[in-house]
Amino acid sequence: QVQLVESGGGVVQPGRSLRLSCAASGFTFSSYGMHWVRQAPGKGLEWVAVIWYDGSNKYYADSVKGRFTISRDNSKNTLYLQMNSLRAEDTAVYYCARGISYLNHWGQGTLVTVSS
Amino acid sequence: EIVMTQSPATLSVSPGERATLSCRASQSVSSNLAWYQQKPGQAPRLLIYGASTRATGIPARFSGSGSGTEFTLTISSLQSEDFAVYYCQQYNNWPPPWTFGQGTKVEIK
Repeated sequence: QVQLVESGGGVVQPGRSLRLSCAASGFTFSSYGMHWVRQAPGKGLEWVAVIWYDGSNKYYADSVKGRFTISRDNSKNTLYLQMNSLRAEDTAVYYCARGISYLNHWGQGTLVTVSS
Repeated sequence: EIVMTQSPATLSVSPGERATLSCRASQSVSSNLAWYQQKPGQAPRLLIYGASTRATGIPARFSGSGSGTEFTLTISSLQSEDFAVYYCQQYNNWPPPWTFGQGTKVEIK
């Protein structure tokens, strides 16, 4: 069955960097677009970024553009989110999800806390 | 950016009753709209895509309707496991972002 497992979250100081990973299994990873979606504590869902199945196209929310980079390694069935210049408002659970448009499979999320 | 507005913020419903949730887009998104369910401490789950197509394994008591700017998610007879937060998401504009509504919490009356 489809499985997405995020890792790499933790506590980080403002201005520092963090890289999240999402390990995929149970499907042909290289055939699907992938997203990152985040959810601040007690808040709603915020779409963060998407990458095409082959990495050819990437798009970002304005709130993270220029600071975050989405990438993938299809040989390792893994999705990444490089987060630089982190701010307190980036504190959230970060989910990876499969799909190009609607998101039909989600991981369980990894918590990123930006705090001094 | 297309803004998605959900109403009401909270809906109090008794088990067995019908629940009707609304989602409005700031401009037309055609039928490029999805609904998700999220329970506390869990990841969201896809319920509906294409405004009205149920995702795999979703019970028939969930139905979606609408197009353009006005959409509805109906739960025909609420079960205990349906009390959760529901989000709509548009995926129409090109290029992204693809935006979510702020959510509707369905709680036990």
